[in-house]
Amino acid sequence: AQSVAQPEDQVNVAEGNPLTVKCTYSVSGNPYLFWYVQYPNRGLQFLLKYITGDNLVKGSYGFEAEFNKSQTSFHLKKPSALVSDSALYFCAVRLAYNTDKLIFGTGTRLQVFP
Amino acid sequence: KAGVTQTPRYLIKTRGQQVTLSCSPISGHRSVSWYQQTPGQGLQFLFEYFSETQRNKGNFPGRFSGRQFSNSRSEMNVSTLELGDSALYLCASSLGQGPNYEQYFGPGTRLTVT
Repeated sequence: AQSVAQPEDQVNVAEGNPLTVKCTYSVSGNPYLFWYVQYPNRGLQFLLKYITGDNLVKGSYGFEAEFNKSQTSFHLKKPSALVSDSALYFCAVRLAYNTDKLIFGTGTRLQVFP
Repeated sequence: KAGVTQTPRYLIKTRGQQVTLSCSPISGHRSVSWYQQTPGQGLQFLFEYFSETQRNKGNFPGRFSGRQFSNSRSEMNVSTLELGDSALYLCASSLGQGPNYEQYFGPGTRLTVT
């Protein structure tokens, strides 16, 4: 079965420090991987995706993610965290090419302290 | 361009009642998906519609139903509400199907069942 795991419920980081939010996946076939962010009382906002090609994917708000096929991981990173990055982050996998159905991880709450 | 809109934003219903939630996709978007978000189960896929056809359905009981109209607007209906149906219901739209098309999420409808 296709699945996504986010092993950390919460990640704490000081402003200005680099941040990493972890995600591992289990899929049969080619993985289509996504990161979304959710601010309080808001819907999900798309950050970035990996479909094919370069393993390092750059996205919105300075975020990037590294696809690692051998470790089946797709960790979200940012070189320098901002307090405004504090939010709930979801990793997701799309099951097939001709569907929009996403399987989400359980989410990781990122807290950036000033 | 206006984003995905969902109405109503908040709703309180009594157990046993039924409810209809509405989603208006971004203009020109033909694909609409629905998700349920709860603290316990996280984000779970409900349905996916493309050009008025249901393409995928999640693992929810038959009390959950949906449809898409010719203008791509979508509705979902939950009959015989249960306390466990209390959740944030998110709608997402995309221009087409497949991972090359980002999904844009609405702010959600928060349903409380008492």
